[in-house]
Amino acid sequence: DTAVSQTPKYLVTQMGNDKSIKCEQNLGHDTMYWYKQDSKKFLKIMFSYNNKELIINETVPNRFSPKSPDKAHLNLHINSLELGDSAVYFCASSQDGDRLNTIYFGEGSWLTVV
Amino acid sequence: QKEVEQNSGPLSVPEGAIASLNCTYSDRGSQSFFWYRQYSGKSPELIMFIYSNGDKEDGRFTAQLNKASQYVSLLIRDSQPSDSATYLCAGGGFHGSSNTGKLIFGQGTTLQVKP
Repeated sequence: DTAVSQTPKYLVTQMGNDKSIKCEQNLGHDTMYWYKQDSKKFLKIMFSYNNKELIINETVPNRFSPKSPDKAHLNLHINSLELGDSAVYFCASSQDGDRLNTIYFGEGSWLTVV
Repeated sequence: QKEVEQNSGPLSVPEGAIASLNCTYSDRGSQSFFWYRQYSGKSPELIMFIYSNGDKEDGRFTAQLNKASQYVSLLIRDSQPSDSATYLCAGGGFHGSSNTGKLIFGQGTTLQVKP
């Protein structure tokens, strides 16, 4: 069983479209995250949720909207996709917001906007 | 100035040598430091973390932290071709007003171990 699973793994879409990436963790963790890794491999946090509550919201355009229906799921919806949104999006989870050494990353979702 | 800085490399070492990866940070709010290894096309995986000044050893890996100099390093002894990957340094802590920790990553150093 994959600990943190993301779907889809690959996504190619046109500018202006709306798309979603889903994430599920079966580790029983309380905290989940979305990170974005750009073409230069720079990995940056976007959002974090603790037990369904939004905790961290970095400077991310409003076109990005995370949703956490329960503490095991954290989805990312992106409206009006732009070329600059092309990146790898990693979902991650940790036991809680304090124990950063328990952060576990999903396999990533490769988004290409054309 | 970036909060966590690494030399992007590539750092090339022969098989069996010691690879030394370095990282500096500017945010004194970072309380813990992490080294992740990321193979091409894969997700980052945690290999070491360190909270206290000094050295921490785990197998072939040694993490070193110097809070006064705001410097973190990772030594890989007896480097193997399978160690060839990008190594990401991250500072962890309660940044700004958040009461939830987060990781701030450097841009990563690419390590090439040549047989």
